[in-house]
Amino acid sequence: GAGVSQSPRYKVAKRGQDVALRCDPISGHVSLFWYQQALGQGPEFLTYFQNEAQLDKSGLPSDRFFAERPEGSVSTLKIQRTQQEDSAVYLCASSPDRLVQETQYFGPGTRLLVL
Amino acid sequence: RKEVEQDPGPFNVPEGATVAFNCTYSNSASQSFFWYRQDCRKEPKLLMSVYSSGNEDGRFTAQLNRASQYISLLIRDSKLSDSATYLCVVNKVGGKLSFGAGTTVTVRA
Repeated sequence: GAGVSQSPRYKVAKRGQDVALRCDPISGHVSLFWYQQALGQGPEFLTYFQNEAQLDKSGLPSDRFFAERPEGSVSTLKIQRTQQEDSAVYLCASSPDRLVQETQYFGPGTRLLVL
Repeated sequence: RKEVEQDPGPFNVPEGATVAFNCTYSNSASQSFFWYRQDCRKEPKLLMSVYSSGNEDGRFTAQLNRASQYISLLIRDSKLSDSATYLCVVNKVGGKLSFGAGTTVTVRA
């Protein structure tokens, strides 16, 4: 079956530009997560949705980062006025249940490079 | 201090060898524990959950020591395809997953 998909796979942005990253979770999955993974590091939690409700956004590094999931399926992570330190892989994951500790299925990620 | 600490390695082992490595976690309220595998430039994939009594999945054995707050992974009879980065993951009830930075394993022919 179809897994988690993300687009674009690669994005090059000039410093100061706004970007929007899309995540299509596995159909029917209730929970959706965004992570940021810097080179040589593990994924760092950004935010979590249960259906359309954003239950935890404690990992968003600044108010330039904004995520939404308006209809409880597709999610968009928006970064405004990108900075070089935003360069990373942005991973989306979904899980079928409301329990955060359930297995999360990851998408291939969007590799963002800010010049 | 990071919530999850791992020896980054790399662990370079010949085919057929046994390799083992640990991770430590700082939050004693952690309830769920996992090992994920991440291949170069790919997404993490669940390798196995870790249970209090320890568990095996084929050539992979995971152990949890709550008293000392560490988790281990042992790989027996290593295959070339086991070369990857292994991410230790913990979370507490209602909390977010915390990932270690990963341990790199390279199996050579």
